[in-house]
Parts: sequence; C-alpha cells; structure tokens
Amino acid sequence: DGGITQSPKYLFRKEGQNVTLSCEQNLNHDAMYWYRQDPGQGLRLIYYSQIVNDFQKGDIAEGYSVSREKKESFPLTVTSAQKNPTAFYLCASSTKDRGLRGEQFFGPGTRLTVL
Amino acid sequence: AQSVTQPDIHITVSEGASLELRCNYSYGATPYLFWYVQSPGQGLQLLLKYFSGDTLVQGIKGFEAEFKRSQSSFNLRKPSVHWSDAAEYFCAVGPYNTDKLIFGTGTRLQVFP
Repeated sequence: DGGITQSPKYLFRKEGQNVTLSCEQNLNHDAMYWYRQDPGQGLRLIYYSQIVNDFQKGDIAEGYSVSREKKESFPLTVTSAQKNPTAFYLCASSTKDRGLRGEQFFGPGTRLTVL
Repeated sequence: AQSVTQPDIHITVSEGASLELRCNYSYGATPYLFWYVQSPGQGLQLLLKYFSGDTLVQGIKGFEAEFKRSQSSFNLRKPSVHWSDAAEYFCAVGPYNTDKLIFGTGTRLQVFP
C-alpha cells in the first residue's frame, strides 16, 4: 500500500542536542512538506520541497534544516538553535496530477519532547 | 492575503445531533478547498475536497460541505454525529505559491453520548 511513514513515533532528546526526524513516501509524489503542530495553533509550515535537491523555507524555518537527496525521502533536523522544539511534527506529500492538485497526504506524525 | 478562519475552537454535540463546522477563507483566485480530520496523536485524513463544479461535495464518513462563493465559506456538515466523530477538524485552502496549503487553526469536536 502506498503511503507516508514517519519515524520514530515518539522521540525524547536532551536540550542542546540536534535530532533528525524521518519521513519516507512511496506515492511517487514530487512535493513534500514539514509542519509543526502546537495546541491551538493549527499547522505551521516549516520547510517544503517541490523537487529533488531543492527546498524552500516555510513560515517557521528558524532552527530547522532539511535535505531532499531522494524523491521519496525528506528528513527534518531540529537543531539546538530551535528555542522551543517540543511539538508534534507532521510530514506530508502532494502531486501535481490532475484531479489531485493541492491535496496533501499526511504521515502519522512524530511527537518530539525535549527534556 | 490568503487566510482561513475557523471561528469555533471547540464544539460539543450530543450523539445523533446534527453538526456544522464553519470555515471562512480569503483567497485571490478560485480556491481549492479541503476538510481534514485528525484523531488524537495521529496524522490528518482528508474528508472531502472542492475543486470546481457542484458546490455541494460529499466526503467520507457521511460528511458533506457546501462552497458558497458569495460568503467565502466552506462549511462542513453531518446530519447525525457518531461518538467516533470526536476529533479535530481542519479546513484548508490552496494551492498557492507552488502547491502550498493554508490551514485554519482547527475545531475540536466533542461528542456526548
């Protein structure tokens, strides 16, 4: 079955450590996205990538980094520069195929807790 | 500027009652509109979407939504709510600037037996 996987589901890190969240999709989608979700704030876009080896900052990119070396993979690194990293992180993907334009498919999320 | 407003942060209904969740948007062109549902600790699942054509769209789990251009609204409805519908619901509009979506802040639905 096609879909998006995120790992791990729960992640605990000490303050000051970098941590990388995994996102893999087998939907053959070109575009991938990372969102941060905090209670009462909806989804805020961190980074997005429309094509391999290219990505753009979203609304809250500070303290985060990404790479897009393969079409199916879009890992997110939460660096020590991110002041408040504890949150729920969601990865999504989309295609430009007619009839599916704009629709984003989401992974199950990773809950990051920084101690 | 493009934006999405979900005026109701939290709604409580009794099981079997009807439901309407409100969504208003601001968008510079003909929008694509989406409703997503999120169970606690899970990702988002698409309920329904509007691209063009019939302004009343049917989705999964018995949900429907109506696009009203004159009111810039895309309200989600269900005639009879089930306890399993308790979740958070997000309205989204797009795509803009290379397929990005703009999400509302969500409405949390609580269902009492």
